[in-house]
Amino acid sequence: QVQLVESGGGVVQPGRSLRLSCAVSGFTFISYGMYWVRQAPGKGLEWVALISYDGSKKYYGDSVKGRFTISRDNSKNTLYLQMNSLRPEDTAVYYCAKDGTRSYYYDSSGKVPVPLPLAGVDYWGQGTLVTVSS
Amino acid sequence: DIQMTQSPSSLSASVGDRVTITCRASQGIRNDLAWYQQKPGKAPKRLIFAASSLQSGVPSRFSGSGSGTEFTLTISSLHPEDFATYYCLHHNNYSLTFGGGTKVEIK
Repeated sequence: QVQLVESGGGVVQPGRSLRLSCAVSGFTFISYGMYWVRQAPGKGLEWVALISYDGSKKYYGDSVKGRFTISRDNSKNTLYLQMNSLRPEDTAVYYCAKDGTRSYYYDSSGKVPVPLPLAGVDYWGQGTLVTVSS
Repeated sequence: DIQMTQSPSSLSASVGDRVTITCRASQGIRNDLAWYQQKPGKAPKRLIFAASSLQSGVPSRFSGSGSGTEFTLTISSLHPEDFATYYCLHHNNYSLTFGGGTKVEIK
């Protein structure tokens, strides 16, 4: 079954850095786009970043652009979120999440991947808490 | 950027009630919308995708409808385990946009 397990959360001082990891299993990681989504205490869900199946495309929410970097290692089935210049308002549970459909299919030659639209989140990890405080 | 406005932000209902939650998009989003249920301390769980398709394993009392700018999640008869917070989500190839959430509480 699909499993996503986040790690790397903790307490960090403002201005410092932290790297989150998400180890996945139960699906072909290299075939799917992936997301990070966060939830501040008592608040709603906020999209943080997304990365294409091959890592070639990355997009970020306005509140983290220029400070956070999403990446993936398809050989290790692991997603990452590098968080720099952390602020108290970054305090949240951070969820790793999987896109709901394969990101490509092969054309008639069987060799060329043809991109498909992303389909939103189908599975979520259990989350890891990041607390930014002095 | 597309905004998702979810209403109501909270509601009180009794077991057996029919419940309707609405999400409005600031511009047309075809059917690129999903609904999630979240219980305290847990990750969200997808209920509906592509606006009206029921996720495998989700009870049939949950249904979704709509297209374009207005979408609805309906629970036909509220069960005790349905008291939770519900979110809509618009997705495209560049971002995710969540609604603000609807907390369904016991009357």
